[in-house]
Amino acid sequence: GAVVSQHPSWVICKSGTSVKIECRSLDFQATTMFWYRQFPKQSLMLMATSNEGSKATYEQGVEKDKFLINHASLTLSTLTVTSAHPEDSSFYICSAQSGPNYGYTFGSGTRLTVV
Amino acid sequence: DAKTTQPTSMDCAEGRAANLPCNHSTISGNEYVYWYRQIHSQGPQYIIHGLKNNETNEMASLIITEDRKSSTLILPHATLRDTAVYYCIVRPRMDSSYKLIFGSGTRLLVRP
Repeated sequence: GAVVSQHPSWVICKSGTSVKIECRSLDFQATTMFWYRQFPKQSLMLMATSNEGSKATYEQGVEKDKFLINHASLTLSTLTVTSAHPEDSSFYICSAQSGPNYGYTFGSGTRLTVV
Repeated sequence: DAKTTQPTSMDCAEGRAANLPCNHSTISGNEYVYWYRQIHSQGPQYIIHGLKNNETNEMASLIITEDRKSSTLILPHATLRDTAVYYCIVRPRMDSSYKLIFGSGTRLLVRP
């Protein structure tokens, strides 16, 4: 089946530094990928839609200068959390449509802790 | 966009069937019903989807009412590993750029 690989699975960084999260579609091409954020005991919140070869589309309230998204190829999208602060600590998840029968395939998530 | 409503939480005994309801009374004709689940600290996992006919796969069965305003996900023999949050989502099937929006889902606890 379709696989979306997300790395790292967890990361701890100091406040003020930047962190990059990678999302790769391993056996299919994804022109569109999605980035979500999830706080403890809450549902997934869509942050942005990543489009190959063009600018990402951000949801209302999501700072595009803070959460930089790059989708340079059909199999790779990256999310960079810039100047991270403790309130950015969260579980970040990417997804891509892997085919009409399976809807979306999700990465395993990245737990970011900013100290 | 059609929205869904699900009970906040449910529980069932291990080995018994788990029936998870979902209301989607405003679903439109081209929208499918998708079910995903999220086990703690993992990414969501696809379970099953359907348009108007009942569907079954190796994980679950999906029963959609004739008027398509509600559906039920059935896990026929729940195990402890089925403890998760289950999300019911409606979406157009063929739109690859469609944004998948998650509601609160149902937290299913399978008891030993």
